[in-house]
This record gives sequence, C-alpha cells and structure tokens, in this order.
Amino acid sequence: DADVTQTPRNRITKTGKRIMLECSQTKGHDRMYWYRQDPGLGLRLIYYSFDVKDINKGEISDGYSVSRQAQAKFSLSLESAIPNQTALYFCATSVGRFPNEQFFGPGTRLTVL
Amino acid sequence: KQEVTQIPAALSVPEGENLVLNCSFTDSAIYNLQWFRQDPGKGLTSLLLIQSSQREQTSGRLNASLDKSSGRSTLYIAASQPGDSATYLCAAGGYGKLTFGQGTILTVHP
Repeated sequence: DADVTQTPRNRITKTGKRIMLECSQTKGHDRMYWYRQDPGLGLRLIYYSFDVKDINKGEISDGYSVSRQAQAKFSLSLESAIPNQTALYFCATSVGRFPNEQFFGPGTRLTVL
Repeated sequence: KQEVTQIPAALSVPEGENLVLNCSFTDSAIYNLQWFRQDPGKGLTSLLLIQSSQREQTSGRLNASLDKSSGRSTLYIAASQPGDSATYLCAAGGYGKLTFGQGTILTVHP
C-alpha cells in the first residue's frame, strides 16, 4: 500500500462548485503540504501544516482552504472552483526533524469547466 | 524570495551517455536540496536529498552535488538508459518548505 494516498485521483467539476481533495498518510509524519503543478509554472506551495494545530499559508493560498483533521489527514478545499484552478494537485509529507525529506502522493488531476 | 532555475529545460541523449543536470538557487540559506523524478502524469519520486552541510550524495548511477556558496547543485547520471527518460526536478528546502525549479525533461533514446 502507498504511504501517501490522495482521493480522488481525477475530478471534473463546474465553475462555482465546492470541492474537497483529501490526503492520507501512513508514514507517521507530522508535517503535511499541498502543492499545485501547472505547465510552465512548476510546483507551488498552497498550504502547509507542521502539526494538527499549526496551519500556514503558502505561496498561492487565495481561493483555497485546508483542514488538518488528524495527524494523518490533510484536506484541501476549493470553496467556489474557477477554471484557473485546473491543475495537478499534490500532497506531501515530511518528518519535522533531520533530514526533513518530503514524500509525495500520486496527485489529483482537477479540471474546472 | 527563493527562486530555483534548472538548465537545460530539455535534453535528448543516446543511451549510454553520462549527463549532468543543473540547478541554481538564489538564496543560499537552505536546509537541504532535493532531487525528484516525475514520469508523465505521475507523482514525484524522491531521488536524492543533500543536507546543507553535505557536498554530495550518491545512489546507484546517480550522484548529486551541492555548492551552497555559489547557489548550485548538479545531478550526474551515469550510463543513461531509456528508462531514465522523465522530468527531473530540483527543490531548495527552506524552513519546512520546498521551492521547485521548473524541471529538465530528459529523453534517452536507444
């Protein structure tokens, strides 16, 4: 079984809809992250969480919100999806100490029509 | 603000060649430098992690070096194979966060 799982793997939705992407991990890591990947722009950090009570905005948090329901679960929500949120979304985890290597999930491909 | 640049953007080589991928970063105050591989439509696989106090790391045919003072890292791939074809991403590790370059698309043809 994969250490970092993301659901759904693919999602097509319409403008204005609320959507939630979920991430679960069995690695026992305390830190979790959400990134989006766009062609030509690379991966950019949306939100990160160092533990259940610590959530921080990343580089491009506008239009997104997150919830850290447990150490192993971190969800990303788009309250009102818009077409320029069409992208590949990745969840990642790391342990909050040396060596702080990040491990990524398989990604969710989101299309907003 | 950290900025990461990867050169070249794309590289095509015949099987068996040794090759070097370059990564530069603007802020030398990094905790680590991580190299990833991404296959089309897939997630990221961590290849090598170099801590800021280290100069290089090796895994099989891969060797990554780090020069913090000049803001550079290189990924050396020895005896390239068609299965090495993928996008290679480097990422500079700040306080708990990674800043990614845009990647080098590598094609190794038989």
